Order: sequence, then structure tokens, then C-alpha cells
Amino acid sequence: DIQLTQSPSFLSASVGDRVTITCRASQGISSYLAWYQQKPGKAPKLLIYAASTLQSGVPSRFSGSGSGTEFTLTISSLQPEDFATYYCQQLNSYPPTFGQGTRLEIK
Amino acid sequence: EVQLVQSGAEVKKPGESLKISCKGSGYSFTSYWIGWVRQMPGKGLEWMGIIYPGDSDTRYSPSFQGQVTISADKSISTAYLQWSSLKASDTAMYYCARQVGGDPPPVPFDYWGQGTLVTVSS
Repeated sequence: DIQLTQSPSFLSASVGDRVTITCRASQGISSYLAWYQQKPGKAPKLLIYAASTLQSGVPSRFSGSGSGTEFTLTISSLQPEDFATYYCQQLNSYPPTFGQGTRLEIK
Repeated sequence: EVQLVQSGAEVKKPGESLKISCKGSGYSFTSYWIGWVRQMPGKGLEWMGIIYPGDSDTRYSPSFQGQVTISADKSISTAYLQWSSLKASDTAMYYCARQVGGDPPPVPFDYWGQGTLVTVSS
């Protein structure tokens, strides 16, 4: 299975900050990467797919980049509703795997 | 509006069987793959498997192959996840989710159910 390692695992930031989360794959996955946001007690929500394509309805402060083995999710200016856990997912090969998650908390 | 509505929380004993459901509405149920994702308490997401209700083509993660069965009844727009003999380690939240578009997996999930909490305890 392809392993995805997210860093950091925990991030403390303030409203208005710019934050970046990294996802590294154990082997190349082209651009077959998605990012999800999950709030406590809720189902995950798709933010970005194909590494950089914003899902319909997702605010433009979210952006994704990367290809091959290294990817980033950037939130340009944190809003109160953005404090959540973020997961990357590779869709290059079976089984699709998720990163371990990055928990983003208010400083 | 696309919706996936899952069955309610379950409390079972080890060795019991269980079938949970996921009813789709607001779209053509037979044209989109529906998958299942496990989230154990305080842990991350695990892709379990997926089904195409149009022809019941089903694919499993090797980690879950033989441990669960995924099925669908297109006449009532409902997908299922079932266990024949539960273990305590099956305690988790289970989500169903619809794949983006109609392409074969793997593809991201764009709509998710609210989750079904399964608790297995003696």
C-alpha cells in the first residue's frame, strides 16, 4: 500500500494566519491526491481533488499544489470555521489510502 | 439535493451479525459508485471498499476483503455494509460516501453520509 505522511500532525494557529500542511507519499502518485476537512462529530468534506482542483463551493482561501510524492494544502487566511482535522488521500492505486491527519487548532 | 442517509447507531455483542445501510437520494443511484470508510475511535480514515449499484461491481481493500460484505439494492437506492461475526475491534464509525462522477474507482468522495456508529462489546 502507498503510505501518506502528513506534517505536522498538530498545528496551532490564529485567525488570519496563512497555514500550510504537507502530505508526502511513499511512492509517486502523479496528481492523484485529494484533501478533506473533518470537524468533530461530522463526516469528512472534500476540499480539493487532482492535487489542485477546488471542489465546488469550497472557499478560494483553500488551495492545493504538488505532484509526484510531495503535496501541500494551503489556507491563505484562517477563518474560525477552518479549525478542524485535515486528511490527504491518494487515488493512484489500490487501496486508496489516507494520511494520518493534521489537527488544526486555535492558538 | 444529493443526500446519503445512514441507518442508526448499533450496539452488538462479539460474534453477532450486522447489516447497516446507506440510502441515496437526489441523484441517479445506479450511476455513481458508493464506498464505505471506517474511522475507529480517535483515529483516521480507512477506505474499506466500494460498489457500483448499476451492476453490483464490488471492490475491496485487501485489509477488509473477507471481513465485510458490501452490497446494494438499486430498487430502493440503498447500499449496505455487513458483518457475519463482529469483533470488538469492529467498533468504529462507518461512513458511506459517493464517488465524484461515474468513473471507476479510485476517485474522491464528494458526498458523505452522516455516519453509523457501531459498538461491539460483551
